[in-house]
Amino acid sequence: QSVLTQPPSASGTPGQRVSISCSGSSSNIGSSTVNWYQQLPGTAPKLLIYSNNQRPSGVPDRFSGSKSGTSASLAISGLQSEDEADYYCAAWDDSLNGYVFGTGTKVTVL
Amino acid sequence: EVQLVESGGGLVQPGGSLKLSCAASGFTFSTYTMTWVRQAPGKGLEWVSYISGSGGSTYYADSVKGRFSISRDNSKNTLYLQMNSLKAEDTAVYYCARVGLGTFRSSFFDYWGQGTLVTVSS
Repeated sequence: QSVLTQPPSASGTPGQRVSISCSGSSSNIGSSTVNWYQQLPGTAPKLLIYSNNQRPSGVPDRFSGSKSGTSASLAISGLQSEDEADYYCAAWDDSLNGYVFGTGTKVTVL
Repeated sequence: EVQLVESGGGLVQPGGSLKLSCAASGFTFSTYTMTWVRQAPGKGLEWVSYISGSGGSTYYADSVKGRFSISRDNSKNTLYLQMNSLKAEDTAVYYCARVGLGTFRSSFFDYWGQGTLVTVSS
């Protein structure tokens, strides 16, 4: 059972803005940086956001991340059909002495 | 170009063993901490294990501690995961990934392999 909680699903029409929340605790999000991964259907996960709000080279600026206290969020602006995927937040957890992933959110483009 | 290629997956009986490999190329392998992440069919991602660049430090998820062993051969640019006492709940696609430079608290996985499927069933 994951210690990072995300909504199971989110959706929007093309061009809309979608936001995904990630709720944790003082032992993970509260004391570590948050990362986000995108997993397109049938493929390996891909790093989308690291260190709370940094985008790796090649990731469109439509994707943005933020963190406040023990929660984090991922925003997708200008939603596109190719954004249909599963999204996972993740962070190091001091209590577990390990890396934890969120429960995952499936984004659907209507 | 960074490439990670896993191999060694397959069907194994409960209680059996399997050793996964991950061949790395396109970067200085010994400089980077490496990790294994798994995904059960239709489920989310689960971190399994870390190993430091030198191999001197290892970390495991509680779910695999005492049964799995991570190792690396920097002369062969290869990461391994020895899995013993396998259970049905270990059935998953196993991914190896490179850990971006930094502390564990700031760690992220910047490159991933394509995964190898492990099925534990009689």
